[in-house]
Amino acid sequence: AQSVTQPDIHITVSEGASLELRCNYSYGATSYLFWYVQSPGQGLQLLLKYFSGDTLVQGIKGFEAEFKRSQSSFNLRKPSVHWSDAAEYFCAVGAWGAQKLVFGQGTRLTINP
Amino acid sequence: EPEVTQTPSHQVTQMGQEVILRCVPISNHLYFYWYRQILGQKVEFLVSFYNNEISEKSEIFDDQFSVERPDGSNFTLKIRSTKLEDSAMYFCASRAGQGNEQYFGPGTRLTVT
Repeated sequence: AQSVTQPDIHITVSEGASLELRCNYSYGATSYLFWYVQSPGQGLQLLLKYFSGDTLVQGIKGFEAEFKRSQSSFNLRKPSVHWSDAAEYFCAVGAWGAQKLVFGQGTRLTINP
Repeated sequence: EPEVTQTPSHQVTQMGQEVILRCVPISNHLYFYWYRQILGQKVEFLVSFYNNEISEKSEIFDDQFSVERPDGSNFTLKIRSTKLEDSAMYFCASRAGQGNEQYFGPGTRLTVT
């Protein structure tokens, strides 16, 4: 069965520090991977996506993610966080031909000034 | 930039009442989705819709739920007889085609009392 695991429910980092949010997935078919961000009271905004090719993908707001097939991971990184990055981050996986996205449980990011 | 819109942003209803949640997907998109997020939990897939019919649905999407695309722009989710456990944020999403990312609306918060 398809599953996505985000091991960290809540992470706190200081403004200006680097960030890595973990995501592990289990999916049988060719997988497409996504990171979405949800600010309080807002919808889900796509940060970045991986379909194929270069395993390091760049997204909006200075985020990047690296796909590692051997580890079934798609971790999200940012070299220097800003207070506005405080939000909930969701990793999701889909498959060609399958309609749905399967989401992880989310990681809530808090930024200390 | 085109976006998915949803109305209302918040709906309060009494148990047993029917509700209709409305969505306007991005205009040239072909695939439409509903997801829900119970407070504090992960985003869950409900149903996908393509070519005027349901293409996939989850076990959550029972006979109490239905979807419709009544015209060329709207996409609705109807819950016939709401239960307390239907209280959640409901997200509509759309996608242009196979292999494309899904774009999410801001959500409708449904509160069943």
